[in-house]
Amino acid sequence: AQSVTQPDIHITVSEGASLELRCNYSYGATPYLFWYVQSPGQGLQLLLKYFSGDTLVQGIKGFEAEFKRSQSSFNLRKPSVHWSDAAEYFCAVGARSGSARQLTFGSGTQLTVLP
Amino acid sequence: DTAVSQTPKYLVTQMGNDKSIKCEQNLGHDTMYWYKQDSKKFLKIMFSYNNKELIINETVPNRFSPKSPDKAHLNLHINSLELGDSAVYFCASSPGLAIFSTDTQYFGPGTRLTVL
Repeated sequence: AQSVTQPDIHITVSEGASLELRCNYSYGATPYLFWYVQSPGQGLQLLLKYFSGDTLVQGIKGFEAEFKRSQSSFNLRKPSVHWSDAAEYFCAVGARSGSARQLTFGSGTQLTVLP
Repeated sequence: DTAVSQTPKYLVTQMGNDKSIKCEQNLGHDTMYWYKQDSKKFLKIMFSYNNKELIINETVPNRFSPKSPDKAHLNLHINSLELGDSAVYFCASSPGLAIFSTDTQYFGPGTRLTVL
């Protein structure tokens, strides 16, 4: 069965600093990988996704992620964090479940941004 | 212009009651989902419907029964509510039968259920 690990429960960075959120997955086939963001009291918004091709994926709000098959990782990065980026970030893998493909989420990383 | 909407946003109820959460999407998508997010923020899929047909049914108590009157709606009915059902429930939709595509799932705002 597929699984996703986000090793960092909580990360704190200063505004303007760079950010990297870690994600490791376990899946036997080629994964479809996603990063979602959840702001307080809000639903999940897709930041970016990887299906194939270029392993460096650009997303919204200045985020990017790099797929590294050899490390089973899909880390999320942003060169300069803004205070509005404070939120919970979820990595997910889209994997087969019978006749469908379902999302399996990691446990999330809470990002705090200091002024 | 809401893409995926859920009602109610908050639901507080007593143990043993029966309640429903409604979900509607106006994106013309064929597939809809219910996820449960527990107190530790862990999201887990519960059900998925494609064109009103159940295609994913994870290990969920049979007190939970999804109902899809048409492909734009997927409601979640919960019988005999228990304390452990307290969570945020998210509805989502995707354009097609996701296994054949690289579909993105679009999520609703969530329904926070509190069972007292």
